[in-house]
Amino acid sequence: GESVGLHLPTLSVQEGDNSIINCAYSNSASDYFIWYKQESGKGPQFIIDIRSNMDKRQGQRVTVLLNKTVKHLSLQIAATQPGDSAVYFCAENEVGDDKIIFGKGTRLHILP
Amino acid sequence: NAGVMQNPRHLVRRRGQEARLRCSPMKGHSHVYWYRQLPEEGLKFMVYLQKENIIDESGMPKERFSAEFPKEGPSILRIQQVVRGDSAAYFCASSPRSSDSSGNTIYFGEGSWLTVV
Repeated sequence: GESVGLHLPTLSVQEGDNSIINCAYSNSASDYFIWYKQESGKGPQFIIDIRSNMDKRQGQRVTVLLNKTVKHLSLQIAATQPGDSAVYFCAENEVGDDKIIFGKGTRLHILP
Repeated sequence: NAGVMQNPRHLVRRRGQEARLRCSPMKGHSHVYWYRQLPEEGLKFMVYLQKENIIDESGMPKERFSAEFPKEGPSILRIQQVVRGDSAAYFCASSPRSSDSSGNTIYFGEGSWLTVV
């Protein structure tokens, strides 16, 4: 069945370095992808999204890359800050389906 | 511009009791989603509703769980005869439209943490 998963459950990054969080998906019909950030005890917060007709999209300090050939999605965070510590989820959606499917998540640790 | 509002934030119930979780969507949003999250896991889709109509309940357990979104008032997720395995965070999300095209961004509330003792 369809699934969205992540390669690494935990990622530790030095403060100031760039972070790259990866995500694999298996549903060929997925055409919209979203990254969410979830801090402890809080709800998921929308970060950035990308449609399948794009391969790159940039936001403030974040970039999402989409490789449809290998069904891979990544989130790049530039100059990682302590406030970036959280669990990051990729999620996907396909046209005609109302639900968004979440992956398991990657916990990002910021090292001082 | 208030976000998605959920209450209660924390709820403790004894086994066999009922739990009611409420969700008010963002202003202008007419579609509500409920997700469940177990500790250290991702969010699992449960149900998607619009006013007075359940659109997709494929993620809802067959028994004890129900959801509604009445014409007036918040959406309610109801769990009857709770068991310890129901202990989880329940998140509500809302969107302004259905996914007749891709790009169905949904915005989440802060969640309701249910503990069954």
